Amino acid sequence: AQSVSQHNHHVILSEAASLELGCNYSYGGTVNLFWYVQYPGQHLQLLLKYFSGDPLVKGIKGFEAEFIKSKFSFNLRKPSVQWSDTAEYFCAVNFNDMRFGAGTRLTVKP
Amino acid sequence: GAGVSQSPRYKVAKRGQDVALRCDPISGHVSLFWYQQALGQGPEFLTYFQNEAQLDKSGLPSDRFFAERPEGSVSTLKIQRTQQEDSAVYLCASSAVAGGLSNEQFFGPGTRLTVL
Repeated sequence: AQSVSQHNHHVILSEAASLELGCNYSYGGTVNLFWYVQYPGQHLQLLLKYFSGDPLVKGIKGFEAEFIKSKFSFNLRKPSVQWSDTAEYFCAVNFNDMRFGAGTRLTVKP
Repeated sequence: GAGVSQSPRYKVAKRGQDVALRCDPISGHVSLFWYQQALGQGPEFLTYFQNEAQLDKSGLPSDRFFAERPEGSVSTLKIQRTQQEDSAVYLCASSAVAGGLSNEQFFGPGTRLTVL
């Protein structure tokens, strides 16, 4: 069955630490990949997306993600997190419909 | 409008009641989606409209769930004879293009439904 897995349920970091959130999916065909973020009290909003081309995509607020087809992965990274990055992060993959991972809550301590 | 809006923001229903949840997408957006988000989970796809046509309803969990978008703009998700397991946040999203699954979706704030 098609699925999206986010390995970390809750990540706690100090400011300036580097971040990597894992996302794996199970599907052998062509997919489009997304990371969405939900800041406290706000709507889900798009952070970045991959459709084709350069597998390293850059999004807003210094985030980037790398699509590794052989590993069915689309991990999110940021070299230096800020307190304002505290939020819930969702990986999403469109198969025939849009599937979201369970989310990773990121807490950045000042 | 400036963004996707949903109403009500919170709804408490007694088991067995019918509820109707409204979504106002961004003006001119062709595609509209409904998702169900249980506590601690990611959104789960329910159904998709392209204009007024419901192209995919494979995610609706039972025949108690019904969605419509009669004029291709506002959409209503109706749940009949609500059950406790229906308690969740119901998210609506819209996209500017047809086949919006491959494009950015703009999400509303959600309606939190609690069934007692």
